[in-house]
Amino acid sequence: NAGVTQTPKFRILKIGQSMTLQCTQDMNHNYMYWYRQDPGMGLKLIYYSVGAGITDKGEVPNGYNVSRSTTEDFPLRLELAAPSQTSVYFCASRTPGLNTEAFFGQGTRLTVV
Amino acid sequence: KQEVTQIPAALSVPEGENLVLNCSFTDSAIYNLQWFRQDPGKGLTSLLLIQSSQREQTSGRLNASLDKSSGRSTLYIAASQPGDSATYLCAVWRRQGGKLIFGQGTELSVKP
Repeated sequence: NAGVTQTPKFRILKIGQSMTLQCTQDMNHNYMYWYRQDPGMGLKLIYYSVGAGITDKGEVPNGYNVSRSTTEDFPLRLELAAPSQTSVYFCASRTPGLNTEAFFGQGTRLTVV
Repeated sequence: KQEVTQIPAALSVPEGENLVLNCSFTDSAIYNLQWFRQDPGKGLTSLLLIQSSQREQTSGRLNASLDKSSGRSTLYIAASQPGDSATYLCAVWRRQGGKLIFGQGTELSVKP
């Protein structure tokens, strides 16, 4: 029972490089989310998706892009990495309906130098 | 705008103590409230989910309460153990937009 899977677990980028953080879930959830967590802070919402082909901005979308071509996958793209994007990134999905519950991946620790 | 605040930011207690973690939110128009545990360098593990129509949920030594009218939730941990040491995060599901909004967490340390 895989749940939400994120790759890679760790990555070091140089300023100006680009990369894609991968997220996939096998629970057939429509809603998926990307969060970032800075040291000592809670999680801030970057982007979310309510289903294939539909995405929307969260609290801190600048510097990121997303796409949702399938129900299972929700990749997060960093085009021009900056030191301010050093963070831990979490992907999540949620069960449908009003009694919704979130499930999280194990995170990707990204350092931009 | 929904804001979620957790008090205290950090807590250190001796083993065996009962303790309470607090969470407050500004907008009572929520679906549910979820408590998570996060170990250092790890992901989030869901502890308890309180539906908007419920007032509390229990799992083992954990009990979470929800008072929507006052915008508060508490997580009660009975007979704390060193293995309970972790950061505890409170999050609310906003009705508008279906987003999960997090507090900044309480870092708990239980000393043997």
